[in-house]
Amino acid sequence: AQSVAQPEDQVNVAEGNPLTVKCTYSVSGNPYLFWYVQYPNRGLQFLLKYITGDNLVKGSYGFEAEFNKSQTSFHLKKPSALVSDSALYFCAVRALGTNAGKSTFGDGTTLTVKP
Amino acid sequence: NAGVMQNPRHLVRRRGQEARLRCSPMKGHSHVYWYRQLPEEGLKFMVYLQKENIIDESGMPKERFSAEFPKEGPSILRIQQVVRGDSAAYFCASSLNSPNTEAFFGQGTRLTVV
Repeated sequence: AQSVAQPEDQVNVAEGNPLTVKCTYSVSGNPYLFWYVQYPNRGLQFLLKYITGDNLVKGSYGFEAEFNKSQTSFHLKKPSALVSDSALYFCAVRALGTNAGKSTFGDGTTLTVKP
Repeated sequence: NAGVMQNPRHLVRRRGQEARLRCSPMKGHSHVYWYRQLPEEGLKFMVYLQKENIIDESGMPKERFSAEFPKEGPSILRIQQVVRGDSAAYFCASSLNSPNTEAFFGQGTRLTVV
């Protein structure tokens, strides 16, 4: 069975500092990995995905994520946080070649960026 | 190009009533997924449908919950005889009919049972 772990319920950073939101996964076969962001009272917005290729993936709003196969991790990063980045972030995984309905989501990490 | 449309955005029901949640997928998308988000929790998969077919309902409660995606019209998630524990945000997502594509989410329906 596949699974996603987001070990931190909350991440707090100061504006302008780098941020990291952690995600580790377990899946049979090659992974297809995603990050989504959810703003208050809104749906999930797609940020970025990893299928194959370069381990560093760039996405929307200046976010990027680094795939590490040996550590089965896909941490979300941003060099300089903005207050407007404060939101709930979800990591998701499914096996490569499977349909979107087979995705498993983590429980989410609340990012708070303070001025 | 409209995204995934869900309505209503907010729904209040008294205990014992029925709740009907609607989802229109993105244009060209034939796969629909429903998820539930309880307060302070993550997304939990409920059901995956294609037109006129339920593909995977492993996340659906065995009683009171049903879903459909008819040939014409939106997908419907129906909750009969609602209880307070059904209060949650219900999200619909859709995708193309091919693997290795991401799902796009609607803004959700927030159900409150009073």
